[in-house]
Amino acid sequence: KNQVEQSPQSLIILEGKNCTLQCNYTVSPFSNLRWYKQDTGRGPVSLTIMTFSENTKSNGRYTATLDADTKQSSLHITASQLSDSASYICVVSAWEAGTALIFGKGTTLSVSS
Amino acid sequence: ETGVTQTPRHLVMGMTNKKSLKCEQHLGHNAMYWYKQSAKKPLELMFVYSLEERVENNSVPSRFSPECPNSSHLFLHLHTLQPEDSALYLCASSQDGVSNTEAFFGQGTRLTVV
Repeated sequence: KNQVEQSPQSLIILEGKNCTLQCNYTVSPFSNLRWYKQDTGRGPVSLTIMTFSENTKSNGRYTATLDADTKQSSLHITASQLSDSASYICVVSAWEAGTALIFGKGTTLSVSS
Repeated sequence: ETGVTQTPRHLVMGMTNKKSLKCEQHLGHNAMYWYKQSAKKPLELMFVYSLEERVENNSVPSRFSPECPNSSHLFLHLHTLQPEDSALYLCASSQDGVSNTEAFFGQGTRLTVV
């Protein structure tokens, strides 16, 4: 069964600190993996998208890694800011027709001052 | 803004009401989607339209009725809903209906059924 598991479920950090969010998946055949940021009550916004051949991709203070062998991905946030408080969702898609996007439940990050 | 606009942003309706959610995209995309996001759950795909034809319906109850009059507009007609239908309803669009193209999401409509 295609699944995406994220950890931790929630995380609280102090402003300026770094953090890493984890995503494990069992999606096959794998097409790509995306990380989305979703502010409370708003739609998800794409941060990064990685295909099978990409190991790391950065978007400002966000760096995503992908290990296709172990089927794991991480999202590292550097020098966190209050505006980073949001839900971070890992989404994996499979190579098939239609829209086989499998969503994780997300990690809720709270950055406090 | 992602180029996908949803209205209204908030909606409260009774179980006997009929209402519609609207989604509009200005990205020139060919595929549009409705997702449901309940508390503590992953996003659930409801409907997919590609080139104005419905290509996927994930066993959604008939009290939810989608309509796609053209590639830029998508509606979700609601009638005789249940309290458990209260959720954030998200619209998304992508260049086409293939899974490896990026989906852009709207801001969502927060629906409360009383």
